[in-house]
Amino acid sequence: ETGVTQSPTHLIKTRGQQVTLRCSSQSGHNTVSWYQQALGQGPQFIFQYYREEENGRGNFPPRFSGLQFPNYSSELNVNALELDDSALYLCASSLGRSGAKNIQYFGAGTRLSVL
Amino acid sequence: GENVEQHPSTLSVQEGDSAVIKCTYSDSASNYFPWYKQELGKRPQLIIDIRSNVGEKKDQRIAVTLNKTAKHFSLHITETQPEDSAVYFCAASPGGGGADGLTFGKGTHLIIQP
Repeated sequence: ETGVTQSPTHLIKTRGQQVTLRCSSQSGHNTVSWYQQALGQGPQFIFQYYREEENGRGNFPPRFSGLQFPNYSSELNVNALELDDSALYLCASSLGRSGAKNIQYFGAGTRLSVL
Repeated sequence: GENVEQHPSTLSVQEGDSAVIKCTYSDSASNYFPWYKQELGKRPQLIIDIRSNVGEKKDQRIAVTLNKTAKHFSLHITETQPEDSAVYFCAASPGGGGADGLTFGKGTHLIIQP
């Protein structure tokens, strides 16, 4: 059974650019959640995808968007990058949306630096 | 929305002693409380979790207690070892962590002194 994998591991972008981060969920998991972790802080919930549809969203602007594919892998897209978007972006997958199925397992993250 | 406060931000204990990390939450609808351990440069790793129908859960040297009335929960690590050194995060979620995601505390840096 493979774990959650994310790519790339590191990324450097310029303010105003767009970025796409990728996540492969753990085998058998149909739900993917994305989090932003600023340095020295806890992860903050961006949104969740369940069976290819957005299932919930945190307090992030619309320039943060996502996709989930039929194989349950997922992408996080960020447009018009700002300096404050510099952070570790974490993906977590789970067996389902609620109850005992929603135990979330994290990937190692993508470190995004915006210059 | 949910708000989770975590204390202390840094905790230094002697190897072999116990460590306790405390969290409070604001949303009485929250019913799922996981704890994650994150070593430097590595992924957050789930170490234990508890649901609101249980007051305490134990797994070897690690235990979590939950007081729903006071809206606080705590992580207890006994017989600490050097490999316990890491940042620990508590989290809470209404609806079992579904559409609202997990709300995390700011983390506790646990240092085990030899």
